[in-house]
Amino acid sequence: SQQGEEDPQALSIQEGENATMNCSYKTSINNLQWYRQNSGRGLVHLILIRSNEREKHSGRLRVTLDTSKKSSSLLITASRAADTASYFCAKEYGNKLVFGAGTILRVKS
Amino acid sequence: SAVISQKPSRDICQRGTSLTIQCQVDSQVTMMFWYRQQPGQSLTLIATANQGSEATYESGFVIDKFPISRPNLTFSTLTVSNLSPEDSSIYLCSVVGGAYGYTFGSGTRLTVV
Repeated sequence: SQQGEEDPQALSIQEGENATMNCSYKTSINNLQWYRQNSGRGLVHLILIRSNEREKHSGRLRVTLDTSKKSSSLLITASRAADTASYFCAKEYGNKLVFGAGTILRVKS
Repeated sequence: SAVISQKPSRDICQRGTSLTIQCQVDSQVTMMFWYRQQPGQSLTLIATANQGSEATYESGFVIDKFPISRPNLTFSTLTVSNLSPEDSSIYLCSVVGGAYGYTFGSGTRLTVV
């Protein structure tokens, strides 16, 4: 599949809890990016992690990349209701950006 | 970073007709990409458009259904032909450029009735 695997498909947590989303891919990538999309609106870029990086932080976001396992994870700490959205990983294959299936996150207040 | 103007932002079309979506970039870019996002789904790459050559289509997408033009380095159009309700989606263009490597248009929400 062009999109690859992403899990879980949906995640429901309480405000203040942490949320972890995972993304896998099959062939070598240049970089990997994470995006957020609120209810059918535009894409918001969250983090880019390069293939030679293992971990990256941005505010409450932590992204890891394990090239040996061909997987990445996005951790959102101390979640807020405003974090409710769909989250997508996007893998760079050459110049092409291929999106994963996404995780729908719902944060309950 | 590149700025993309995508038009129209939304449209409602009759089945059997076509819709042409335009993307104008404020700088010259070599590659432009077209994506489809079906309701509740992720983005799927339709094709890559290079100036001066035919677009390269991903598996499952064909030129007859999604003809693409790329007349210069700042402009591209995607036409969705012979519309059916299954074509109701958001269509986005994207270019290589910007702080994170890629910039996206704001999307065109197509509803086919």
